[in-house]
Amino acid sequence: AQSVTQLGSHVSVSEGALVLLRCNYSSSVPPYLFWYVQYPNQGLQLLLKYTSAATLVKGINGFEAEFKKSETSFHLTKPSAHMSDAAEYFCAVSFPAAGNKLTFGGGTRVLVKP
Amino acid sequence: SAVISQKPSRDICQRGTSLTIQCQVDSQVTMMFWYRQQPGQSLTLIATANQGSEATYESGFVIDKFPISRPNLTFSTLTVSNMSPEDSSIYLCSAPHEGTDTQYFGPGTRLTVL
Repeated sequence: AQSVTQLGSHVSVSEGALVLLRCNYSSSVPPYLFWYVQYPNQGLQLLLKYTSAATLVKGINGFEAEFKKSETSFHLTKPSAHMSDAAEYFCAVSFPAAGNKLTFGGGTRVLVKP
Repeated sequence: SAVISQKPSRDICQRGTSLTIQCQVDSQVTMMFWYRQQPGQSLTLIATANQGSEATYESGFVIDKFPISRPNLTFSTLTVSNMSPEDSSIYLCSAPHEGTDTQYFGPGTRLTVL
Protein backbone atom coordinates (compact mmCIF):
# COMPACT_ATOMS: atom_id res chain seq x y z
CA ALA A 1 0.00 0.00 0.00
CA GLN A 2 1.20 3.47 -0.77
CA SER A 3 1.83 6.12 1.86
CA VAL A 4 2.96 9.71 2.04
CA THR A 5 5.10 11.21 4.79
CA GLN A 6 5.59 14.89 5.36
CA LEU A 7 8.48 15.62 7.66
CA GLY A 8 7.55 18.32 10.14
CA SER A 9 3.96 19.16 11.01
CA HIS A 10 4.94 22.80 11.60
CA VAL A 11 7.56 24.95 9.88
CA SER A 12 8.44 28.51 10.84
CA VAL A 13 10.32 30.72 8.38
CA SER A 14 11.23 34.37 8.26
CA GLU A 15 9.84 36.55 5.53
CA GLY A 16 12.25 36.46 2.61
CA ALA A 17 13.83 33.17 3.67
CA LEU A 18 13.77 29.86 1.83
CA VAL A 19 10.72 27.66 2.29
CA LEU A 20 11.44 23.92 2.18
CA LEU A 21 8.69 21.39 2.82
CA ARG A 22 9.61 17.72 2.68
CA CYS A 23 7.53 14.91 1.22
CA ASN A 24 8.47 11.27 0.82
CA TYR A 25 6.30 8.56 -0.62
CA SER A 26 6.27 4.82 -0.42
CA SER A 27 5.10 2.96 -3.49
CA SER A 28 6.10 0.01 -5.63
CA VAL A 29 5.32 1.96 -8.81
CA PRO A 30 5.97 5.61 -9.65
CA PRO A 31 2.98 7.67 -8.62
CA TYR A 32 1.59 10.98 -9.68
CA LEU A 33 2.54 13.58 -7.05
CA PHE A 34 0.79 16.74 -5.99
CA TRP A 35 1.17 19.64 -3.62
CA TYR A 36 -1.96 21.41 -2.40
CA VAL A 37 -2.28 24.47 -0.18
CA GLN A 38 -5.11 25.17 2.24
CA TYR A 39 -5.56 28.70 3.51
CA PRO A 40 -7.51 29.18 6.74
CA ASN A 41 -11.18 28.29 6.36
CA GLN A 42 -10.81 27.46 2.68
CA GLY A 43 -10.70 24.38 0.48
CA LEU A 44 -7.61 22.97 -1.18
CA GLN A 45 -5.87 24.71 -4.04
CA LEU A 46 -3.49 22.92 -6.38
CA LEU A 47 0.06 24.31 -6.24
CA LEU A 48 1.74 21.95 -8.68
CA LYS A 49 1.87 18.37 -9.89
CA TYR A 50 4.25 15.76 -11.27
CA THR A 51 2.88 13.25 -13.74
CA SER A 52 5.95 11.63 -15.31
CA ALA A 53 7.13 14.57 -17.40
CA ALA A 54 9.88 16.97 -16.29
CA THR A 55 11.18 16.13 -12.83
CA LEU A 56 11.44 19.80 -11.81
CA VAL A 57 7.96 21.20 -11.67
CA LYS A 58 7.05 24.86 -11.33
CA GLY A 59 3.76 25.85 -9.78
CA ILE A 60 1.84 28.89 -8.75
CA ASN A 61 2.96 31.60 -6.34
CA GLY A 62 6.66 30.96 -6.98
CA PHE A 63 6.69 27.38 -5.66
CA GLU A 64 8.50 24.51 -7.31
CA ALA A 65 9.15 20.86 -6.52
CA GLU A 66 11.57 18.24 -7.74
CA PHE A 67 10.74 14.59 -8.16
CA LYS A 68 13.65 12.35 -7.16
CA LYS A 69 12.86 8.73 -7.84
CA SER A 70 16.01 7.43 -6.15
CA GLU A 71 15.03 9.20 -2.94
CA THR A 72 11.24 8.70 -3.37
CA SER A 73 10.88 12.37 -2.60
CA PHE A 74 8.96 15.37 -3.89
CA HIS A 75 10.07 18.31 -1.75
CA LEU A 76 8.46 21.71 -2.19
CA THR A 77 10.51 24.90 -2.20
CA LYS A 78 10.11 28.64 -2.58
CA PRO A 79 13.20 30.86 -2.62
CA SER A 80 11.69 33.74 -0.67
CA ALA A 81 8.78 33.42 1.76
CA HIS A 82 6.00 35.97 1.79
CA MET A 83 3.56 36.61 4.58
CA SER A 84 0.77 35.36 2.31
CA ASP A 85 2.42 31.92 2.21
CA ALA A 86 1.20 31.19 5.73
CA ALA A 87 -1.06 28.18 5.23
CA GLU A 88 -1.17 24.41 5.47
CA TYR A 89 0.48 22.43 2.73
CA PHE A 90 -0.39 18.89 1.75
CA CYS A 91 1.56 16.44 -0.36
CA ALA A 92 -0.51 13.75 -2.07
CA VAL A 93 -0.07 10.80 -4.41
CA SER A 94 -2.36 9.10 -6.86
CA PHE A 95 -2.22 6.23 -9.32
CA PRO A 96 -4.10 6.23 -12.60
CA ALA A 97 -4.75 2.51 -12.28
CA ALA A 98 -6.51 3.18 -8.97
CA GLY A 99 -8.84 5.78 -10.39
CA ASN A 100 -6.74 8.78 -9.41
CA LYS A 101 -7.98 8.89 -5.83
CA LEU A 102 -5.60 10.81 -3.61
CA THR A 103 -3.65 9.67 -0.56
CA PHE A 104 -2.51 12.62 1.51
CA GLY A 105 0.41 13.23 3.79
CA GLY A 106 -0.21 14.59 7.26
CA GLY A 107 0.23 18.21 6.22
CA THR A 108 2.72 20.91 7.19
CA ARG A 109 1.58 24.19 8.65
CA VAL A 110 3.80 27.10 7.61
CA LEU A 111 4.19 30.15 9.80
CA VAL A 112 5.90 33.18 8.28
CA LYS A 113 7.56 35.60 10.70
CA PRO A 114 8.00 39.24 9.74
CA SER B 1 -9.73 23.75 -13.83
CA ALA B 2 -13.08 22.45 -12.64
CA VAL B 3 -15.25 24.76 -10.56
CA ILE B 4 -16.82 22.90 -7.67
CA SER B 5 -19.36 24.24 -5.22
CA GLN B 6 -20.70 22.74 -2.01
CA LYS B 7 -23.73 23.40 0.13
CA PRO B 8 -23.99 24.11 2.98
CA SER B 9 -20.68 25.80 3.71
CA ARG B 10 -21.12 25.07 7.40
CA ASP B 11 -23.68 23.70 9.80
CA ILE B 12 -24.16 22.98 13.46
CA CYS B 13 -26.22 19.86 14.11
CA GLN B 14 -27.55 17.94 17.04
CA ARG B 15 -26.41 14.46 17.94
CA GLY B 16 -28.50 11.74 16.30
CA THR B 17 -29.60 13.78 13.30
CA SER B 18 -28.43 13.55 9.69
CA LEU B 19 -27.04 16.13 7.28
CA THR B 20 -26.88 15.94 3.51
CA ILE B 21 -24.07 17.79 1.77
CA GLN B 22 -24.37 18.71 -1.90
CA CYS B 23 -21.56 18.96 -4.42
CA GLN B 24 -21.95 20.52 -7.85
CA VAL B 25 -19.34 20.47 -10.62
CA ASP B 26 -19.42 22.86 -13.56
CA SER B 27 -18.64 20.12 -16.09
CA GLN B 28 -19.49 16.46 -16.55
CA VAL B 29 -17.12 14.12 -14.73
CA THR B 30 -17.06 10.36 -14.45
CA MET B 31 -15.89 10.15 -10.86
CA MET B 32 -16.37 12.33 -7.83
CA PHE B 33 -14.69 11.85 -4.48
CA TRP B 34 -15.64 12.62 -0.90
CA TYR B 35 -13.01 13.34 1.76
CA ARG B 36 -13.12 14.01 5.48
CA GLN B 37 -10.75 16.34 7.30
CA GLN B 38 -11.00 15.94 11.03
CA PRO B 39 -9.90 18.89 13.21
CA GLY B 40 -6.18 19.48 12.85
CA GLN B 41 -5.80 16.44 10.60
CA SER B 42 -5.11 15.65 7.00
CA LEU B 43 -7.67 14.50 4.45
CA THR B 44 -8.97 10.95 4.33
CA LEU B 45 -10.91 9.53 1.40
CA ILE B 46 -14.41 8.38 2.35
CA ALA B 47 -15.63 7.05 -0.98
CA THR B 48 -15.60 7.32 -4.74
CA ALA B 49 -18.92 8.17 -6.37
CA ASN B 50 -19.48 6.88 -9.90
CA GLN B 51 -22.51 7.87 -11.89
CA GLY B 52 -24.87 4.99 -12.42
CA SER B 53 -23.36 2.65 -9.85
CA GLU B 54 -22.97 2.35 -6.11
CA ALA B 55 -20.25 4.29 -4.42
CA THR B 56 -17.02 2.53 -3.49
CA TYR B 57 -16.13 3.02 0.17
CA GLU B 58 -12.68 3.04 1.72
CA SER B 59 -11.75 0.94 4.70
CA GLY B 60 -13.37 2.27 7.84
CA PHE B 61 -16.31 3.92 6.08
CA VAL B 62 -19.69 2.27 5.48
CA ILE B 63 -22.71 3.06 3.38
CA ASP B 64 -25.12 3.09 6.32
CA LYS B 65 -23.18 5.90 7.95
CA PHE B 66 -22.24 7.84 4.80
CA PRO B 67 -24.79 7.15 2.04
CA ILE B 68 -23.86 8.77 -1.25
CA SER B 69 -25.96 9.60 -4.27
CA ARG B 70 -24.74 10.35 -7.80
CA PRO B 71 -27.81 11.07 -9.91
CA ASN B 72 -25.95 12.61 -12.85
CA LEU B 73 -22.49 13.52 -14.12
CA THR B 74 -22.32 16.92 -12.40
CA PHE B 75 -23.81 16.33 -8.96
CA SER B 76 -23.37 14.21 -5.85
CA THR B 77 -24.55 14.20 -2.26
CA LEU B 78 -23.01 12.81 0.90
CA THR B 79 -25.18 12.20 3.94
CA VAL B 80 -23.68 11.97 7.40
CA SER B 81 -26.17 9.82 9.31
CA ASN B 82 -26.95 9.50 13.00
CA MET B 83 -24.29 12.05 13.82
CA SER B 84 -22.13 12.13 16.91
CA PRO B 85 -19.58 14.75 18.01
CA GLU B 86 -16.85 12.56 16.46
CA ASP B 87 -18.32 13.39 13.05
CA SER B 88 -17.37 17.05 13.48
CA SER B 89 -15.09 17.62 10.50
CA ILE B 90 -14.72 19.40 7.21
CA TYR B 91 -16.18 17.36 4.38
CA LEU B 92 -14.80 18.05 0.91
CA CYS B 93 -15.75 16.80 -2.49
CA SER B 94 -13.40 16.67 -5.43
CA ALA B 95 -13.45 15.82 -9.09
CA PRO B 96 -10.88 15.73 -11.86
CA HIS B 97 -11.09 18.12 -14.74
CA GLU B 98 -12.23 15.62 -17.34
CA GLY B 99 -9.38 14.16 -19.31
CA THR B 100 -6.81 15.10 -16.69
CA ASP B 101 -5.35 13.36 -13.68
CA THR B 102 -5.70 16.32 -11.34
CA GLN B 103 -8.29 16.56 -8.58
CA TYR B 104 -9.94 19.89 -7.89
CA PHE B 105 -11.67 20.50 -4.61
CA GLY B 106 -14.79 22.21 -3.45
CA PRO B 107 -14.58 24.75 -0.62
CA GLY B 108 -15.68 22.20 1.96
CA THR B 109 -18.53 21.89 4.45
CA ARG B 110 -17.61 22.55 8.05
CA LEU B 111 -19.78 20.37 10.28
CA THR B 112 -20.05 20.72 14.03
CA VAL B 113 -22.06 18.15 15.96
CA LEU B 114 -23.18 19.05 19.47
